Amino acid sequence: GNSVTQMEGPVTLSEEAFLTINCTYTATGYPSLFWYVQYPGEGLQLLLKATKADDKGSNKGFEATYRKETTSFHLEKGSVQVSDSAVYFCALSDSTGNQFYFGTGTSLTVIP
Amino acid sequence: DTAVSQTPKYLVTQMGNDKSIKCEQNLGHDTMYWYKQDSKKFLKIMFSYNNKELIINETVPNRFSPKSPDKAHLNLHINSLELGDSAVYFCASSQVAAYNSPLHFGNGTRLTVT
Repeated sequence: GNSVTQMEGPVTLSEEAFLTINCTYTATGYPSLFWYVQYPGEGLQLLLKATKADDKGSNKGFEATYRKETTSFHLEKGSVQVSDSAVYFCALSDSTGNQFYFGTGTSLTVIP
Repeated sequence: DTAVSQTPKYLVTQMGNDKSIKCEQNLGHDTMYWYKQDSKKFLKIMFSYNNKELIINETVPNRFSPKSPDKAHLNLHINSLELGDSAVYFCASSQVAAYNSPLHFGNGTRLTVT
């Protein structure tokens, strides 16, 4: 079956630190991979996506590379800001595009 | 020009009541979803409709009934509310017919059952 596993939080970093949030997946066929961000009191927003192996998604300084050989899609940012404090969700959509599978979310707090 | 809008944003009610949450999307998407997010932020799919047809119906108490009058609207009606129904409910949409379409979420409805 399809599933997503992401690192447990919470994660606390100082401003300008390097961020990695690990995400691995199990899927049949050719899934698409996504990172979503949820700011307090808001819905989930698409942060970036990748649709095939070796694709790199990037947005707002965040990056993630679709690694088929390690079934991973780790989120990285070189220098986090206080405004990046949020909950981050890794997700995949199956080959039909109908069904989405979410990780459990990782809470990030960036302190000045 | 909100893409996915749901109302109300907050809903406080007593056990045993019946309530509805409305959702509308103006993105022209063919598929709409309801998700439940618990206090630990875990997201669980409840229902999915594609062009008004139910395609995903997860193990959800039959007190929950989705209704899709047209492909731009998916409402959620909940009968006989229980304390355990307290959560944030998110509506979402996507264009499944377009390969790799992401989900677009509304801002959520925080339901509190007392």
